Amino acid sequence: EDQVTQSPEALRLQEGESSSLNCSYTVSGLRGLFWYRQDPGKGPEFLFTLYSAGEEKEKERLKATLTKKESFLHITAPKPEDSATYLCAVQTNSGGSNYKLTFGKGTLLTVNP
Amino acid sequence: NAGVMQNPRHLVRRRGQEARLRCSPMKGHSHVYWYRQLPEEGLKFMVYLQKENIIDESGMPKERFSAEFPKEGPSILRIQQVVRGDSAAYFCASSQGLAGVEQYFGPGTRLTVT
Repeated sequence: EDQVTQSPEALRLQEGESSSLNCSYTVSGLRGLFWYRQDPGKGPEFLFTLYSAGEEKEKERLKATLTKKESFLHITAPKPEDSATYLCAVQTNSGGSNYKLTFGKGTLLTVNP
Repeated sequence: NAGVMQNPRHLVRRRGQEARLRCSPMKGHSHVYWYRQLPEEGLKFMVYLQKENIIDESGMPKERFSAEFPKEGPSILRIQQVVRGDSAAYFCASSQGLAGVEQYFGPGTRLTVT
């Protein structure tokens, strides 16, 4: 069974204090790994898709990287508006249902001014 | 360009009543997915639909839950005879293609069963 584990569950940073969120996965064949941001009371907002080990993508203060076992979301010099829950999800090649997203439980990031 | 739309945003039902959740996908998107987010749990896949077809409903409870995506109009997730355990946030997502393609989510419907 496909599994996605995110750590830490919660992270509190000071404004400007860079850090990384981790997403480790156990799947039979990775089709894509997705990062989303979710604000309280809202739906997940798409950030990045990564397809193969070694791939990196950047957007403003966020940078996502991928290895064969895990993905990192690096946050450089975060601001209070980066506070949100960050979700990691995978699509796999298993069982013919390669459209399903399997989500981790998320990391709740709080950035204090 | 309107995103994925869901309504109602909040829905309160008494035990035994029916809940109908509606979802309009993004313009140009023909693939619709429903996910459920229970408190303290991650988002879980429920069902995948295309126009007039249910492609995969393996994540949906066998009883009381049904989904449709008619030729005209929004996709509907229907929960009959709701119970307290159905209280959750229900999200609809849509995509332009299938595997490896990002899914865009709506704002969700928060169902509370009293």
